[in-house]
Amino acid sequence: EPEVTQTPSHQVTQMGQEVILRCVPISNHLYFYWYRQILGQKVEFLVSFYNNEISEKSEIFDDQFSVERPDGSNFTLKIRSTKLEDSAMYFCASRAHDRGNSYNSPLHFGNGTRLTVT
Amino acid sequence: GENVEQHPSTLSVQEGDSAVIKCTYSDSASNYFPWYKQELGKRPQLIIDIRSNVGEKKDQRIAVTLNKTAKHFSLHITETQPEDSAVYFCAARALGGGSQGNLIFGKGTKLSVKP
Repeated sequence: EPEVTQTPSHQVTQMGQEVILRCVPISNHLYFYWYRQILGQKVEFLVSFYNNEISEKSEIFDDQFSVERPDGSNFTLKIRSTKLEDSAMYFCASRAHDRGNSYNSPLHFGNGTRLTVT
Repeated sequence: GENVEQHPSTLSVQEGDSAVIKCTYSDSASNYFPWYKQELGKRPQLIIDIRSNVGEKKDQRIAVTLNKTAKHFSLHITETQPEDSAVYFCAARALGGGSQGNLIFGKGTKLSVKP
């Protein structure tokens, strides 16, 4: 079964440094997402991406964050200047095209990148 | 925007008993409600989902019910086993207010099944 893959599995960085988290969504999927999960808390939506542009973002996704699809397979999340509170597990997710307009295709998550900001 | 509330936050049952987790949502336009199971340190994995045109769906020991009028949905696990122990998240697909169908998650329920 195809999977969403994420690299690295664990990233340690110093406060103020830039990090890039990488994801390869499932190949025939069209919608891409980043979520984050602070330890012991719920999964929080960051941003969605469709047709080579951001379709929606949450209030968490401020100017320090950016996403990019640099080629036909990768989907990246960049945090420009990391803060201690950015420490979390970051999940990439993707889903296929919906049948009709019913937004009913399931979301598939990658294994996540644990980001630790020191 | 969409808001999902989930109860209880923790649930402990004896092996073989049933477990029920309940969620409510706020966006009446939402039409897709998945449930995810997350084991410690792992990704959320979809275990069952329900669309708004049905009221109940069952898959072996797992069932989900949806009440669109009351805007709540529930996960039912029967004959629980120790390997069912995990954190379970409900979610609703946000469609109102210009949302593009991203999932909004509840806070999770930590289920412990005691042998």
